[in-house]
Amino acid sequence: GAGVSQTPSNKVTEKGKYVELRCDPISGHTALYWYRQSLGQGPEFLIYFQGTGAADDSGLPNDRFFAVRPEGSVSTLKIQRTERGDSAVYLCASSNTGPTYNEQFFGPGTRLTVL
Amino acid sequence: AQSVSQHNHHVILSEAASLELGCNYSYGGTVNLFWYVQYPGQHLQLLLKYFSGDPLVKGIKGFEAEFIKSKFSFNLRKPSVQWSDTAEYFCAVSGNKLVFGAGTILRVKS
Repeated sequence: GAGVSQTPSNKVTEKGKYVELRCDPISGHTALYWYRQSLGQGPEFLIYFQGTGAADDSGLPNDRFFAVRPEGSVSTLKIQRTERGDSAVYLCASSNTGPTYNEQFFGPGTRLTVL
Repeated sequence: AQSVSQHNHHVILSEAASLELGCNYSYGGTVNLFWYVQYPGQHLQLLLKYFSGDPLVKGIKGFEAEFIKSKFSFNLRKPSVQWSDTAEYFCAVSGNKLVFGAGTILRVKS
């Protein structure tokens, strides 16, 4: 079956622009997660959805970052007024239920470069 | 708050050498522990996990890890590495969210 997919695979934008990153989770997975991975670091938690609602958004760095999952499947991470420090690989993962006891399946990531 | 520390950022080994990658965590509650691996050009994938029971956990490709509660450690081991084990390895701890260490890049020389 299909795994987690993310589009685009690469995104180059200019400082101050708005970007949207998309994640298609594994069919039937109710939990969806976004992470950010900077060079030389492990993935850093951003937000976790259970169904349509954000169960934990404590990792979002500031109010320029926002994510939605309106129908409980596809999710979009939105970044407003991008800054050079937002450059990173943004990873999406999904799992059967919540994060505590379940393996998370990761997508290939979107590499965001802010010039 | 949860945190994970991986001791080595880069490790270089020859084929057939034994491997041990260190991982220490900090978390006040019941933890679930994971090792993920990222092979060159591939997604992060689960290598092994510990939730409860036998503290010696066996994963895929001959890897194992031992949970030592008194040391807050979950070290990854493999008795004899292969060239195909070249990858980046991440230790992670899950309380109410999954927190990753900075990763260890393993290069195995053939």
